[in-house]
Amino acid sequence: DAKTTQPNSMESNEEEPVHLPCNHSTISGTDYIHWYRQLPSQGPEYVIHGLTSNVNNRMASLAIAEDRKSSTLILHRATLRDAAVYYCILRAPLYGQNFVFGPGTRLSVLP
Amino acid sequence: NAGVTQTPKFQVLKTGQSMTLQCAQDMNHEYMSWYRQDPGMGLRLIHYSVGAGITDQGEVPNGYNVSRSTTEDFPLRLLSAAPSQTSVYFCASARGATNEKLFFGSGTQLSVL
Repeated sequence: DAKTTQPNSMESNEEEPVHLPCNHSTISGTDYIHWYRQLPSQGPEYVIHGLTSNVNNRMASLAIAEDRKSSTLILHRATLRDAAVYYCILRAPLYGQNFVFGPGTRLSVLP
Repeated sequence: NAGVTQTPKFQVLKTGQSMTLQCAQDMNHEYMSWYRQDPGMGLRLIHYSVGAGITDQGEVPNGYNVSRSTTEDFPLRLLSAAPSQTSVYFCASARGATNEKLFFGSGTQLSVL
């Protein structure tokens, strides 16, 4: 399975943009890049996913490097509610391919 | 629409006791799975199912059994609980086996003494 590498923790100030990096140098051509986040005492929730092109939704943006060996989750304006552990996951949309969650990045948002 | 419902939310067991963690989803999802999360760590896959009557092992299946008799339910059984099974357990479902979006329950905190 292709692996991802994320910083253990990051800090941000409230109302400022946050860029959460993820390295995945062994990504294969069929792997999608997924981001989930886990708020305190809750189950993970889907944030965004993409294959090659940058993606935007109401929660965040996903910027994917041209060689696909890295990606960045962008929270445009951090709020206190965005404090969570963010997981970057690679997964091919194939039968039997499961989501593998690493330790993720713990994001702290300072008021 | 309740989504993924897990019961109980908290449970304390003695070593050697058995119990079943319940998971139900009302979204007609084919794919269901169980994860455990130990303090400060990511989630590890225990078992998963791609449809009624079909189950398979994940990364850490030892000590756990599952069955999938209906689309809606995917119970996780601990036959003889051990302190090493103290963890938070999450159930998740997705529309299909190749689908991108997992929906998680709120978790069951299990302590084995």
